[in-house]
Amino acid sequence: SQTIHQWPATLVQPVGSPLSLECTVEGTSNPNLYWYRQAAGRGLQLLFYSVGIGQISSEVPQNLSASRPQDRQFILSSKKLLLSDSGFYLCAWTKRTDQEAFFGQGTRLTVV
Amino acid sequence: AQKITQTQPGMFVQEKEAVTLDCTYDTSDPSYGLFWYKQPSSGEMIFLIYQGSYDQQNATEGRYSLNFQKARKSANLVISASQLGDSAMYFCAMREGKDYFGNQFYFGTGTSLTVIP
Repeated sequence: SQTIHQWPATLVQPVGSPLSLECTVEGTSNPNLYWYRQAAGRGLQLLFYSVGIGQISSEVPQNLSASRPQDRQFILSSKKLLLSDSGFYLCAWTKRTDQEAFFGQGTRLTVV
Repeated sequence: AQKITQTQPGMFVQEKEAVTLDCTYDTSDPSYGLFWYKQPSSGEMIFLIYQGSYDQQNATEGRYSLNFQKARKSANLVISASQLGDSAMYFCAMREGKDYFGNQFYFGTGTSLTVIP
């Protein structure tokens, strides 16, 4: 069966520090991978998506970047965090267009 | 333009009553999929129901049904016989295109549902 792992679950980082959130998928190959951010009480904002290794599409200009070094690994990074980067970050994967997206448990990031 | 619009930031429903959560979408692609997710306070995203653009019948999954009106571009979620455990955020989402490899997966801003005992 397929599973998705996302870590860490919670993170408190000072402004200006770097960030690295990792997401890995098991049990499938060549998935589409997504990073979303959810501000408190708000909807999900699509940040990045990837259809293959090294292929990253960015939806919004921001302080963040994403990389896909391996087929089932998706990393969200920042060189210098801003206060506005605080939020709940969700990684997701899907495959067929008629298939729902499967989400990780999320990372709650607080930038202080 | 917003791909997915959910105009109800918050909804209240009496336990055991039915409730409809609104969702409209915007796409020029003839092939797309519509999804509803539930997000309890824990933050996890729980898939509820799926409707394909070519599906002739409205999707149903237990107490959940999707009122799909293609011409109006609406995909409202109906929850019958509400339970206290249904209190959560509900998100409507859309995926465009018939390409096997797919593309973006768009979400609305969500509706917070509170079930009153």
